[in-house]
Formats: sequence, structure tokens, C-alpha cells
Amino acid sequence: DAGVIQSPRHEVTEMGQEVTLRCKPISGHDYLFWYRQTMMRGLELLIYFNNNVPIDDSGMPEDRFSAKMPNASFSTLKIQPSEPRDSAVYFCASSFDYGYTFGSGTRLTVV
Amino acid sequence: GENVEQHPSTLSVQEGDSAVIKCTYSDSASNYFPWYKQELGKRPQLIIDIRSNVGEKKDQRIAVTLNKTAKHFSLHITETQPEDSAVYFCAASGTNAGKSTFGDGTTLTVKP
Repeated sequence: DAGVIQSPRHEVTEMGQEVTLRCKPISGHDYLFWYRQTMMRGLELLIYFNNNVPIDDSGMPEDRFSAKMPNASFSTLKIQPSEPRDSAVYFCASSFDYGYTFGSGTRLTVV
Repeated sequence: GENVEQHPSTLSVQEGDSAVIKCTYSDSASNYFPWYKQELGKRPQLIIDIRSNVGEKKDQRIAVTLNKTAKHFSLHITETQPEDSAVYFCAASGTNAGKSTFGDGTTLTVKP
């Protein structure tokens, strides 16, 4: 198994642009999580899905953030418009029982 | 909701010494307690976990203990090595199946 696959690995964009992060979970995993990690705020849960259905999006910072999971093998996190304070590493993770498998993350820099 | 507190935030030990990281949780219904290790620039990786029906679990140099009455659990690393240097996160889950609440992390430095 290739594990949880995220793309892109690095993204540099200008303020105001739309950014889309992608995630392919491990086949058979029924939970998918999006986390944001910064030095100041640590690991923050943004949103999670169970069987492709969003369960809790209370961690999404504001309306500029949206996430979708159209099928069991794909999810996106979109930021529109992006701002410098969105700069962080964004991790996707999936699980079947309880333990998480994290992807390699997307390092987002908004200039 | 669940609240997980982790201590210490930083820990420095000499190679060969033991390291202990402690976490407390608030929700008595939590029943699964994983630990993740995150090396610099890498993803968090699950290294060991324990369920509420077990008091202790060992895997080579690492062990976890759980005290359900006191609602705390700990990670023990013996004979530390420089490659143990990383950020360690504890987590707890149970009432929201699948969702873990993470501690703030402990930065462990093992000095050669």
C-alpha cells in the first residue's frame, strides 16, 4: 500500500489566489481527517469525514476554507482567497479502526 | 468535548537515559490512546497505542501505561538514542469514534 498520498508537496502562491490541496486515503479506511500544523498553534483538526460524509467542520477557520470528499478515494481542501496567515503544513490522515496514518503533508506558503 | 494535556513540552536527556512523557484526559469515556512520533520535517507516525482494557503495553524500548481511574497515560522510552529525538504527541479518542484529540506535543532531545 502506498499509504496516504497528498499533493502537491509544496505550494507557493500569492495572496488572494485559490489553493487546492488533494488527498488520497488508504483503500478501505472509512475516516479521513484534515489537519493544519504551525509552530504557534500545533496540530489543528480542520474537518473530518466518515464514509465520505463531513462529520465535524468546526475547526475550519472561516468561510474561505472548504473541503469535499466526492468518493472514498479522494478529498480536497480548498482555500479561496488565500492569505499569508494560511501558511502552514496541511496534513491529511485516514483511519479504519482508530490509529491514524498521515500523509506526507503539503507545505503551503502564501506570499 | 475531550481535552488532552501533555507534559513536559520539552525534554532533554542524555543518550542511554530513560524519558517519560505524561498525558491527562478529561473524558472518562475515552478508550483508545495512541502515541505519535514526528521527526523534523516528517509526518506524525503511530508508534504505539493502548486500549482502555489494558494497563500497560510494551514494544522493545517503548512502553505505555494507562491509569483509567486517574485519567492519565504515559510514554516511557528506555535506553534512549539520538534517533529518538523528535516531537511526540499523545492522543485520546472514544466518544467520537475515529476522532482523536491530540496533546500539544513534547519535543524530546537525546544528547549523544
